[in-house]
Formats: sequence, C-alpha cells, structure tokens
Amino acid sequence: GAGVSQSPSNKVTEKGKDVELRCDPISGHTALYWYRQSLGQGLEFLIYFQGNSAPDKSGLPSDRFSAERTGGSVSTLTIQRTQQEDSAVYLCASSAGTGGYGYTFGSGTRLTVV
Amino acid sequence: GESVGLHLPTLSVQEGDNSIINCAYSNSASDYFIWYKQESGKGPQFIIDIRSNMDKRQGQRVTVLLNKTVKHLSLQIAATQPGDSAVYFCADRTGGGNKLTFGTGTQLKVEL
Repeated sequence: GAGVSQSPSNKVTEKGKDVELRCDPISGHTALYWYRQSLGQGLEFLIYFQGNSAPDKSGLPSDRFSAERTGGSVSTLTIQRTQQEDSAVYLCASSAGTGGYGYTFGSGTRLTVV
Repeated sequence: GESVGLHLPTLSVQEGDNSIINCAYSNSASDYFIWYKQESGKGPQFIIDIRSNMDKRQGQRVTVLLNKTVKHLSLQIAATQPGDSAVYFCADRTGGGNKLTFGTGTQLKVEL
C-alpha cells in the first residue's frame, strides 16, 4: 500500500485478556519497527525486524509481549494477559533499509485496558 | 542508557514568528538525528534529518542545527503557521545502529 497501515485503530480490552495488533508495512520495506507511546511520553522502542534476520527484541518490556512477522511483510504484536499499564498507542514503522533511515510510521493503535 | 530529551514541553508562538525547539542528547556516539512532527491522532511524520558530520541543514521553512560539543540539537521553523501546531520529537541513532531513540516531545501551539 501507499503507507503503513495499522489495525485496529482503537482497541478497548478487559484486564487479563490477550490482544493482537496488526501492522502492514509499505510494500518492499525490509525493516519493521514497533514502538509504544504512552500518554505525554516519547516513543519507546519495542522490537525490530530486518529481512530474515533474528528480530531485535531488546525493547519488549516483559514476556507478555511478543511479535512476529510473517513472510517478511505483515507483523503482529501480541500482548498476553493485558494490564492497565499496557494502555498506550502502539506505533509501527517500516523502512526500505537498515540504519534507522527513512522511517514511515503508521497512525498507530490506541490500546485501552480497563 | 542513552536518552534524548527536550528542554520545553510546550512552546506557544504567534503566527508568523519563528519557532525554535530544542533537544539535548546524552550519547556522544550518536551519529544521526531526526526531527519528527506528530499531529493529533496520527503517527510521527519525518521533517528533517542531519548527520553528525554536519552542523546545519536547511529544508523548506525548517533548519536543524547540531552542536556536538554540548550535545544539543534544535529545530527552527520560519514564519510559523497554524498548520505547524503539533508535537515535535527529536530522535537519534547510536553509531551505525538500526533503531532510533526518541525524546519526550514538545507541544508547539501557534496563536493567531
């Protein structure tokens, strides 16, 4: 597509439930990033995929968080047993190469855990 | 760990005036810096970038200045317009890495 697409745009879930957030990167972009943006805060790095390489998971806050990228394209971020502190906007970005250049962000998924 | 932060959380300017948004970074190994603009309900949008071998770069109505001596980055917006109202983030990359570290953001408000 023309841009990075994220779904759903908004998600309200009950504490303890699992959620899946989806990211469709720009076609042909080999790098994909997930960031989390809490209210009034900057962007917190979660995970990075580059081609067929092992993902950089160094930013995942706990083992309740996981992500996968199928076929080098679509990515799903899964949060298990959600907690209220997981409430945030989850942003996905993609880029054509490595080095942090040329990030294009999606509009994000606003997750609210009640 | 590395951190990138902004001096002012909110900046209010009159339409037509110039705006200056500041950012401090802590990692002397940072070699690439970017400014992003985020409007309400949208993802961050690239504005301008600069590599560490430069101290100034200009775009359309925007200029980024880099002072590596004091680890300071600024974004200057000329003739600020209402459409410039947004949150502005600086981000840096640690030498040759693949991910960016973002600051907290500055809310720019343009008053008519």
